[in-house]
Amino acid sequence: GESVGLHLPTLSVQEGDNSIINCAYSNSASDYFIWYKQESGKGPQFIIDIRSNMDKRQGQRVTVLLNKTVKHLSLQIAATQPGDSAVYFCAENMGDYKLSFGAGTTVTVRA
Amino acid sequence: NAGVTQTPKFQVLKTGQSMTLQCAQDMNHNSMYWYRQDPGMGLRLIYYSASEGTTDKGEVPNGYNVSRLNKREFSLRLESAAPSQTSVYFCAIRTSGNNEQFFGPGTRLTVL
Repeated sequence: GESVGLHLPTLSVQEGDNSIINCAYSNSASDYFIWYKQESGKGPQFIIDIRSNMDKRQGQRVTVLLNKTVKHLSLQIAATQPGDSAVYFCAENMGDYKLSFGAGTTVTVRA
Repeated sequence: NAGVTQTPKFQVLKTGQSMTLQCAQDMNHNSMYWYRQDPGMGLRLIYYSASEGTTDKGEVPNGYNVSRLNKREFSLRLESAAPSQTSVYFCAIRTSGNNEQFFGPGTRLTVL
């Protein structure tokens, strides 16, 4: 499953498939980007980050891609599991690690 | 929530009432942040503190004051609550080494 465009509020994905969540950021001078996962009733949970001197960074089952030319960030989740159902936010550093968050994408995993 | 505690968990206020939201960390990090999250939206920064005794405004500071009297605690005060301040408030700390921000569980505030 893939979300496209500036912001797609929801993404439905079949369990076991890969998920791609997209995000457009605003500040071309931002040097640091983060993806957070937020489950219902909880605070955001850090997933992975990337600095502007990198194009790609991999974690456990997740990959973040950064395209500075078009100010685009994506999060790829491999082999999506039911526990991955949540709202996912991208955030950019506006200076002094003051973060500006996107509106979020709700991911629902179908069994 | 990586050692960040917030009190209270829930609060209902009437317009014009005041209250203080408390945040405490047990990890001895310098930087602390207050964000608000409105329904269906991302978080917006209210205030942050780079170290004990210092504070600075974020994106939406109007109607709020903060206090960082010691390294461990960072409080957010609403002097005269308004319905527009109904939100979920999150406190966060930033680790000194890799700059990751960790969030507390949130305070759900309703202003009637």
